[in-house]
Amino acid sequence: GQNIDQPTEMTATEGAIVQINCTYQTSGFNGLFWYQQHAGEAPTFLSYNVLDGLEEKGRFSSFLSRSKGYSYLLLKELQMKDSASYLCAVSHTGGFKTIFGAGTRLFVKA
Amino acid sequence: EAQVTQNPRYLITVTGKKLTVTCSQNMNHEYMSWYRQDPGLGLRQIYYSMNVEVTDKGDVPEGYKVSRKEKRNFPLILESPSPNQTSLYFCASRDTGGSYGYTFGSGTRLTVV
Repeated sequence: GQNIDQPTEMTATEGAIVQINCTYQTSGFNGLFWYQQHAGEAPTFLSYNVLDGLEEKGRFSSFLSRSKGYSYLLLKELQMKDSASYLCAVSHTGGFKTIFGAGTRLFVKA
Repeated sequence: EAQVTQNPRYLITVTGKKLTVTCSQNMNHEYMSWYRQDPGLGLRQIYYSMNVEVTDKGDVPEGYKVSRKEKRNFPLILESPSPNQTSLYFCASRDTGGSYGYTFGSGTRLTVV
């Protein structure tokens, strides 16, 4: 079957580092995406991993372990504007079917 | 500006009255998709299209139809809406390279009474 799990909510402090985990079970893996979604808005693309390892993009990094079915999104130097939902999504072979997790709501406090 | 445009943004309708949500993209993307988003369930794929005249079912296609007659447009049709189709709908497009993420439209909040 197909399943993506991520924590429902997390809280972190401005300036700190937070790691949002995602575990998945799927057939025909073709890559893992992370999206950011502010309340009332559309999701926006953050990162893509298809090979094991860490991809860094400014304050955001994403890690993938295909053998463990595990990914995380690392946010450094947290800012208040980082308060949002973070969606983990897995693409199937061929890249046409993409399954999303329910999302992790991150609250950044002063 | 590169974007995906959905209309309408908000719609309240009655059970059984056919409706269409339009979606258009100006990035020449081959791949387009419709999702619905419900609290606690996340985004669920309704239909997707790999190119003109090529569509396939996602995970929750019941009660929906789509068409892809032109590359830029991918309308979502609800022939006989029911209250369980009350949801937030997103259209999305992306390029066919695997590393490209979706560009999403602004969303359509549909209420069926």
